[in-house]
Amino acid sequence: DIQMTQSPSLLSASVGDRVTLSCKASQNIYKYLNWYQQKLGEAPKLLIYYTNSLQTGIPSRFSGSGSGTDYTLTISSLQPEDVATYFCQQYNSWPLTFGSGTKLEIK
Amino acid sequence: EVQLVESGGGLVQPGRSLKLSCVASGFTFNNYWMTWIRQAPGKGLEWVASITNTGGSTYYPDSVKGRFTISRDNAKSTLYLQMNSLRSEDTATYYCTTGVYYFDYWGQGVMVTVSS
Repeated sequence: DIQMTQSPSLLSASVGDRVTLSCKASQNIYKYLNWYQQKLGEAPKLLIYYTNSLQTGIPSRFSGSGSGTDYTLTISSLQPEDVATYFCQQYNSWPLTFGSGTKLEIK
Repeated sequence: EVQLVESGGGLVQPGRSLKLSCVASGFTFNNYWMTWIRQAPGKGLEWVASITNTGGSTYYPDSVKGRFTISRDNAKSTLYLQMNSLRSEDTATYYCTTGVYYFDYWGQGVMVTVSS
């Protein structure tokens, strides 16, 4: 199984900051990587698919990048409504696996 | 508007069975692969099962293989998850989602608690 490791597990930043979340796969996943946002008490929401494709309706301050085993979700200017837990997910091979999440807080 | 509405959750004893349902609307159900994903309380996300748009093929992780069965009724736009031999570690919120590689629509989730 491919293990997905997210860092940091907790991130505190100020409104307006540029924020970078990391996701590392245990083997090459050839950009088959998605990002989800989960706000407290809600279902997850797809933000980014195939490493850098922005899902319809998602603000352009969210972007994704990466290749091989290392991937990044960037928020260009943190907004109060971005407080959430962010999960990465690989679909290079079965079983589909998720990272353990990065909880993002406002400082 | 896409809607996925899960039902069938609840409290069940270890070793017993439970069947979840997910009624879909707002899209052409029989064009989409569907997937169940779960989340234990305070934990991360875990893929549980996926099914092709026709229902001809199904996929499971080892943690549920042989115990859980995903199925669908395209005439009723409904997805199912039959869960047998339930264990305490199956306690989670179960989400119905569209897709198999990425999950673009999610239901609100249904809670399953396995406890004596």
